[in-house]
Amino acid sequence: SYELTQPPSVSVSPGQTASITCSGDKLGDKFACWYQQKSGLSPVLVVYQSTKRPSGIPERFSGSNSGNTATLTISGTQAMDEADYYCQAWDSGNWVFGGGTRLTVL
Amino acid sequence: QVQLQASGPGLVKPSGTLSLTCAVSGDSISSSNRWTWVRQPPGKGLEWIGQIYHSGTTNYNPSLKGRVVISVDRSNNQFSLRLNSVTAADTAVYYCARVFWGSAYYFDYWGLGTLVTVSS
Repeated sequence: SYELTQPPSVSVSPGQTASITCSGDKLGDKFACWYQQKSGLSPVLVVYQSTKRPSGIPERFSGSNSGNTATLTISGTQAMDEADYYCQAWDSGNWVFGGGTRLTVL
Repeated sequence: QVQLQASGPGLVKPSGTLSLTCAVSGDSISSSNRWTWVRQPPGKGLEWIGQIYHSGTTNYNPSLKGRVVISVDRSNNQFSLRLNSVTAADTAVYYCARVFWGSAYYFDYWGLGTLVTVSS
């Protein structure tokens, strides 16, 4: 079965750029999505179709996807961005989530 | 604005059946979108359970296949989840969500999530 691998944690200083990676076999051939989940809340879509941002999501969130790796980049990270982030892809009739990355802003 | 609300028993006995319903408002269950269930065990990540199209076509997580059934109720604009033979490992927050299905696919609206505990 298809697997997506994320680093368990990423730390970033306020105002700096955070990059969260998601690796999977030929992931660049698929569309990747990214979800933000703050403690106790439902996930929120922040990137879809690998690079697109839903309305209402700040411009500091961006995505890329090539080869075996999709990346979520948060530019000018703010304290409010501290959350868990999950990548997701559709493969052979199944949705697959990555294990999640906890972003700490310190 | 699309809203989803999951409801059902918060406590299920081991070997029993977990049953949840997701009421949808702001969109028709018969639209081109799909409808899905996702769960999250306490302190762990997201796990996709399955999805359904209004025609009844379903896709299920292979790891749960054989225990899970998702159905749609067009008359009440809702869809449901049944998970059989539950164990403590099925204790989780269960979310229902809409899967936008067009030029791209993604989960754009999520319900609040409901905690289901499997315990005697």
